[in-house]
Parts: sequence; structure tokens; C-alpha cells
Amino acid sequence: QKEVEQDPGPLSVPEGAIVSLNCTYSNSAFQYFMWYRQYSRKGPELLMYTYSSGNKEDGRFTAQVDKSSKYISLFIRDSQPSDSATYLCAGTGFQKLVFGTGTRLLVSP
Amino acid sequence: DSGVTQTPKHLITATGQRVTLRCSPRSGDLSVYWYQQSLDQGLQFLIQYYNGEERAKGNILERFSAQQFPDLHSELNLSSLELGDSALYFCASSVGGTSGRRGEQFFGPGTRLTVL
Repeated sequence: QKEVEQDPGPLSVPEGAIVSLNCTYSNSAFQYFMWYRQYSRKGPELLMYTYSSGNKEDGRFTAQVDKSSKYISLFIRDSQPSDSATYLCAGTGFQKLVFGTGTRLLVSP
Repeated sequence: DSGVTQTPKHLITATGQRVTLRCSPRSGDLSVYWYQQSLDQGLQFLIQYYNGEERAKGNILERFSAQQFPDLHSELNLSSLELGDSALYFCASSVGGTSGRRGEQFFGPGTRLTVL
């Protein structure tokens, strides 16, 4: 079993939709969680960085962590075609950062 | 632009050869991380250096080695290359020495290695 699981997609939505991206993890030691956006053949770009359980909002993006169920979510409001990319979740417990395999998101105009 | 630079952008070489990938972290960052990304494996952590010292090791092959220099730039050396080593290699940097507080990792644009 992988430490971080993510549905590879692709997830296709129309422009303006609310997008929900999800991950599950198995390592109870994870305290910090990150979401990265990666465009094709580019380096991952840090979107959100959260500690422990709770919500964090930044513009159109909201990250949610539920440590009791080991569930991580990223919500994107008013999605845009420019949001089309692969979204990677990651968790860490003060050691290495462990990534999910990524979910490919396609936002159509 | 994350502030992390990597050279070269592309590298094409033959099996059995040795290559060196270079990374310069963001100004002020002390940690450098190396990752390998292939289509079937996702983003795999290789190794971390903090202020010149090896801090953590991941799935790094014995044919691979890295170091961080006094000016904090880092090099990843890949030797006896095999076809399966073809991948994107990313460098990331962070302020802190461990993932966690001040552990946000910022990625460079990557080096695409093709082994023929």
C-alpha cells in the first residue's frame, strides 16, 4: 500500500465549476501537508501548505485536512482553463516528503 | 519562477555513461532535495542535504550520488546509466532542515534525462 493515494483521473470539468481533489494517506506521523500544481513537463509549484487538521484558504483554493480519517482535500472555486494541470498532494512527519501520484485536471472553456 | 535553478534543461546520453546535474537553491535556503519523476513511478524522493551535510536518504540507487557545496549549490551524479534512468530530475529547496515548519519545498524546472 502506498503511503499517499490519489486518483490519477483525468477529472474533466467545465469552466466555473467547483473542483474537489482528494488524497488519502496511511502514515499517522504525517503532520504537514502540501498541494502542488504541475503543468506538463514543468516543476511542481507549491499551492498550499497546511499543518495538522483544519482548513486553509488562499484565493480560489481551499485545503482541508482531516487527520482522523487521514483524508486531504483541495477545493478550487470558479475553475479556469488555466487550472488544467496535474495536482499532487504530499504529506510529511518531519522526514521525507511523500507524494501521491497526482490527479490530472482538465477544465474546458 | 520559484527561484530554484537547474542545469542543464535537457540531457541525452548513452547507456553506461555518467552525467552531473546541477541545482542552485533559492537565496537563503539551506536544504536541497533531489527527486526523480518518471511516468510509472511518480515523484520519488532521492536524497536531502542541509547546509552541506546529508540529512535524509530515499530511494537513491548506489550508482547515484550527490553533494552540497559550501555555496549551497548541489550536484547529483548519475553513473553507469541504464535505459530505466530516463526521467525528469527535480531539485527542491527549503529554509529549514526538515520537512515541517519552514519546510515548504520549492521546486526547480527540472532536468530531462534521456538515456539511449
